[in-house]
Amino acid sequence: GEDVEQSLFLSVREGDSSVINCTYTDSSSTYLYWYKQEPGAGLQLLTYIFSNMDMKQDQRLTVLLYNKDKHLSLRIADTQTGDSAIYFCAEKYAAGNKLTFGGGTRVLVKP
Amino acid sequence: GAGVSQTPSNKVTEKGKYVELRCDPISGHTALYWYRQSLGQGPEFLIYFQGTGAADDSGLPNDRFFAVRPEGSVSTLKIQRTERGDSAVYLCASSSGGTGGHEQYFGPGTRLTVT
Repeated sequence: GEDVEQSLFLSVREGDSSVINCTYTDSSSTYLYWYKQEPGAGLQLLTYIFSNMDMKQDQRLTVLLYNKDKHLSLRIADTQTGDSAIYFCAEKYAAGNKLTFGGGTRVLVKP
Repeated sequence: GAGVSQTPSNKVTEKGKYVELRCDPISGHTALYWYRQSLGQGPEFLIYFQGTGAADDSGLPNDRFFAVRPEGSVSTLKIQRTERGDSAVYLCASSSGGTGGHEQYFGPGTRLTVT
């Protein structure tokens, strides 16, 4: 079955780096996504990576993929108070359509 | 351009009533998805449309839930005989479809409360 798992909570000081971890279930031909959800809002797509890649960088965001271990991480450099939100990882089989989400990691940025 | 929009933003209904939730996808997106997000959890897949047809409805919890997309654009999620357990945020997403358009973009959701 499909089961995407994340840690529940992360507290970080403003200016430090945040690292959010995720484990997923299928290491073959899979897209992996990171979404951000602020209170009362929908999901904002931050970035994605395909399972044949090791790393993807987009401005302050770095995604690392350890496909053999089915482990994914999102690093946010120079974390700001506006980064406080719930972050969800999700997987989708390349040939499929539906996203399977983790339970979300609540990130609290302290000034 | 405009993103995915959903109406209403909030809906309060009594147990046993019928509700309709509407989703307007991004213009030109052929794929449309409905998800349900319960409090403190990640979204769970309900149904996927490619064009006008429901290509995958495996996430619908029971036959009280139904969705349509008659013209391949706007979609309506319909819930009959609502139960308190149906209370959740219902999220709609769209994508341009195919391998090159796999990213799903979400609307703000409809918060449904069944009293």
